[in-house]
Amino acid sequence: EPEVTQTPSHQVTQMGQEVILRCVPISNHLYFYWYRQILGQKVEFLVSFYNNEISEKSEIFDDQFSVERPDGSNFTLKIRSTKLEDSAMYFCASEGRVRGLVYEQYFGPGTRLTVT
Amino acid sequence: DAKTTQPTSMDCAEGRAANLPCNHSTISGNEYVYWYRQIHSQGPQYIIHGLKNNETNEMASLIITEDRKSSTLILPHATLRDTAVYYCIVRAPYNQGGKLIFGQGTELSVKP
Repeated sequence: EPEVTQTPSHQVTQMGQEVILRCVPISNHLYFYWYRQILGQKVEFLVSFYNNEISEKSEIFDDQFSVERPDGSNFTLKIRSTKLEDSAMYFCASEGRVRGLVYEQYFGPGTRLTVT
Repeated sequence: DAKTTQPTSMDCAEGRAANLPCNHSTISGNEYVYWYRQIHSQGPQYIIHGLKNNETNEMASLIITEDRKSSTLILPHATLRDTAVYYCIVRAPYNQGGKLIFGQGTELSVKP
């Protein structure tokens, strides 16, 4: 069964450093998302991406964040200058149409980002 | 904000049916009810979705009331591996917004 994969599973970085989180969505999906979950809190939407551009972003997704689909298969989230409060699980999701207008969104296993 | 209300936690005996309720009294006519679950800190896992008819798949059944203001997710024979946080999410078809808005969910504990 196709699945969303994410690398690395755990990333430790120092405050102020840049990090890139990588995702390989399910191959025939066209819609891509990043979510994050701070320990003990809700899963929060960050950004959605369709047709090589951002379709929606949350207030969390400020200028320090960017997304890219560099080669038609990978989908990346970059944080330019990490802050302590960026420590969280980051989940990538991709979405495909099931029937009509109904879509199902599938999540990857997540990357645990620890900023020290 | 999430448009659903769920109990914070529930217990269920292993082998019994787990019935997880969800209230979505402000649901619009074209919005679907989706259920996801999250085991430990893993990625949320899709379970099932429906519009107005009851739905069943290999994981669960979804019962939606006739007025669509509430629904129940049923795990027919709960196992210890079903211990997770279960999220009920109301969502429009993609052309009206694709993100999923997660609430706090219901923490289901399946006990031997």
